[in-house]
Amino acid sequence: DQQVKQNSPSLSVQEGRISILNCDYTNSMFDYFLWYKKYPAEGPTFLISISSIKDKNEDGRFTVFLNKSAKHLSLHIVPSQPGDSAVYFCAASAAGNQFYFGTGTSLTVIP
Amino acid sequence: NAGVMQNPRHLVRRRGQEARLRCSPMKGHSHVYWYRQLPEEGLKFMVYLQKENIIDESGMPKERFSAEFPKEGPSILRIQQVVRGDSAAYFCASSLSLNGQGSFEQYFGPGTRLTVT
Repeated sequence: DQQVKQNSPSLSVQEGRISILNCDYTNSMFDYFLWYKKYPAEGPTFLISISSIKDKNEDGRFTVFLNKSAKHLSLHIVPSQPGDSAVYFCAASAAGNQFYFGTGTSLTVIP
Repeated sequence: NAGVMQNPRHLVRRRGQEARLRCSPMKGHSHVYWYRQLPEEGLKFMVYLQKENIIDESGMPKERFSAEFPKEGPSILRIQQVVRGDSAAYFCASSLSLNGQGSFEQYFGPGTRLTVT
């Protein structure tokens, strides 16, 4: 029962271009969403979050968009840099309960 | 300001042995979560604890797995009589608060990679 889905296991983008990572969810009760970045042999690192009262949150090169009607969120990275190459997980929770994570998207930024 | 600490980083156990994984949350954090990542899969929630309390263990297998977060000391994830299928990376995370106001991001440790031979 995968409540949070990341349907693209991998993504390759040229340096300087935009990276768009997508995430879909099924539970309409989710009200808080996060993106994490993970390098091999390390724990996930928090990137950016958004609550359901917003549809956009921006932090430097990272912007998260939330479309509640479509139950879809996306992470935009612009411009993409080689150091952004990592696995990106989206996560969602309802009313502060446990977080559900997607299976991750492996981003490769080509220099 | 130390982050979330987990030890050991790598643990090898034979089938039937016990595995103990430790997690020290970030200073000031009283919420601890354990996740498991199987090869080629995402992070699966296992258990959420506060000091001396298990809040949500809906992701824990019913047998052989247990977790605690005592008043003093680290949180422990214990796996009894390990089997090959328990081989995975186990991540611990901690947070300040789960209330809806403000941020309650979870900060992850580096993980413990358990290998069962």
